[in-house]
Amino acid sequence: EAQVTQNPRYLITVTGKKLTVTCSQNMNHEYMSWYRQDPGLGLRQIYYSMNVEVTDKGDVPEGYKVSRKEKRNFPLILESPSPNQTSLYFCASSRTSGRLFFGPGTRLTVL
Amino acid sequence: EDQVTQSPEALRLQEGESSSLNCSYTVSGLRGLFWYRQDPGKGPEFLFTLYSAGEEKEKERLKATLTKKESFLHITAPKPEDSATYLCAVIETSGSRLTFGEGTQLTVNP
Repeated sequence: EAQVTQNPRYLITVTGKKLTVTCSQNMNHEYMSWYRQDPGLGLRQIYYSMNVEVTDKGDVPEGYKVSRKEKRNFPLILESPSPNQTSLYFCASSRTSGRLFFGPGTRLTVL
Repeated sequence: EDQVTQSPEALRLQEGESSSLNCSYTVSGLRGLFWYRQDPGKGPEFLFTLYSAGEEKEKERLKATLTKKESFLHITAPKPEDSATYLCAVIETSGSRLTFGEGTQLTVNP
């Protein structure tokens, strides 16, 4: 089954404790992206990647890092999480950058 | 900067009561406009892509249309299972990123 998977689905952590949210797709897509979704602000892009070893900032990259060492994986790293990073995070992939396939989401709470 | 504005923010309909959702956009050049459906707690799910003014796409009770400044998602005789948040997004000709609107939360009562 074609899908985008994210782990963990739910995470509660404390300020400053490094964490990684994994994202994997099995559709051989070149394009992958991370979004955060907050009430009243909609979906905002954090980082995206056009292909392996190619990443670029989206609209809200501060406080986040990504890497794209393999085509199928695109982890999101929070080196020192803060409460304003509490949000619902989505990973997405696409053959180009148009029609996106989204993962199920990761709900992150930073205390 | 690309801008996408959706209206209304929320819409409540009775089953069978047709209506339309609006997506207004501002881009330097449109490469594509996308409609997604999002159920609570889930990732958005693709519905349609529209590329040029005058284009229309249909799927079951949904029909999407596009002009040079806006897109409409028409819902004909909706059912309770059509309740969801509908998101509009655009990508410009020179860009590689989707810009999303904030969505319209649709509730269809039986």
